Amino acid sequence: DAKTTQPNSMESNEEEPVHLPCNHSTISGTDYIHWYRQLPSQGPEYVIHGLTSNVNNRMASLAIAEDRKSSTLILHRATLRDAAVYYCTSNFGNEKLTFGTGTRLTIIP
Amino acid sequence: DGGITQSPKYLFRKEGQNVTLSCEQNLNHDAMYWYRQDPGQGLRLIYYSQIVNDFQKGDIAEGYSVSREKKESFPLTVTSAQKNPTAFYLCASSTTGQGRGYTFGSGTRLTVV
Repeated sequence: DAKTTQPNSMESNEEEPVHLPCNHSTISGTDYIHWYRQLPSQGPEYVIHGLTSNVNNRMASLAIAEDRKSSTLILHRATLRDAAVYYCTSNFGNEKLTFGTGTRLTIIP
Repeated sequence: DGGITQSPKYLFRKEGQNVTLSCEQNLNHDAMYWYRQDPGQGLRLIYYSQIVNDFQKGDIAEGYSVSREKKESFPLTVTSAQKNPTAFYLCASSTTGQGRGYTFGSGTRLTVV
C-alpha cells in the first residue's frame, strides 16, 4: 500500500531542534518527498521537498536517507509558531500527492 | 499577490440539498485538486484535474461532482448522494510535472444539518 508512516505526535521544547521522521518504503526512484504543515482550521502550508539530496530553505531542512525509504524534517530552532500537524507525502508514481494523518507537533514553552 | 481562494469559509446546508464550493486560483497552475478532511484525520482526495475540461476521480469521489471549464476555477458540488458530507474541504493547485508543490486554499467548513 503506497503511503507514508509518521508518529502520531511529538513534543519539543521551545528553541530546541526538532527532528520529525517519516518512512516511505514504497516510494519510487522519481518520486519527490514533500512536507507540509497545517494549523487548526487552515489549509496546509508547503514546507520543503526533495528527491535525493538533503535540502535546506528558510523554514527547515530535509534529510533524505541514502536508500530513500525514510526522511527527516528538521526544524533547527522550534518556536511556538511551529506547533502544527506536519505531513510527509509523495505521489508514489501517481499524478497526485497522498497524505497520511501526519505528526502533531507540540512545542513546550 | 497570487493565491488560491476558497469561498465561503463556513457553509451550512440542510440534509438532501446539493451545495457547491468555490475554488479559484490566479497562479496560472494547470492542476487543481479537492481534498476532504475529517476531525483528527489526514487529507483524502476527492477529485483532481490536470487540464481544463478534464478531471479524474480520487479515492472518495462518490457523492461529489466537479467541473473544470476554466483554468482558474474548479468548483466542487456536494450532492445529496454523499452520505456524510459534514467535513472540512480543501482545494489545492499545482504546476504539472515531477516535484511540483501544492498551494492550498484556506478551506471551507461544510456543516449539514
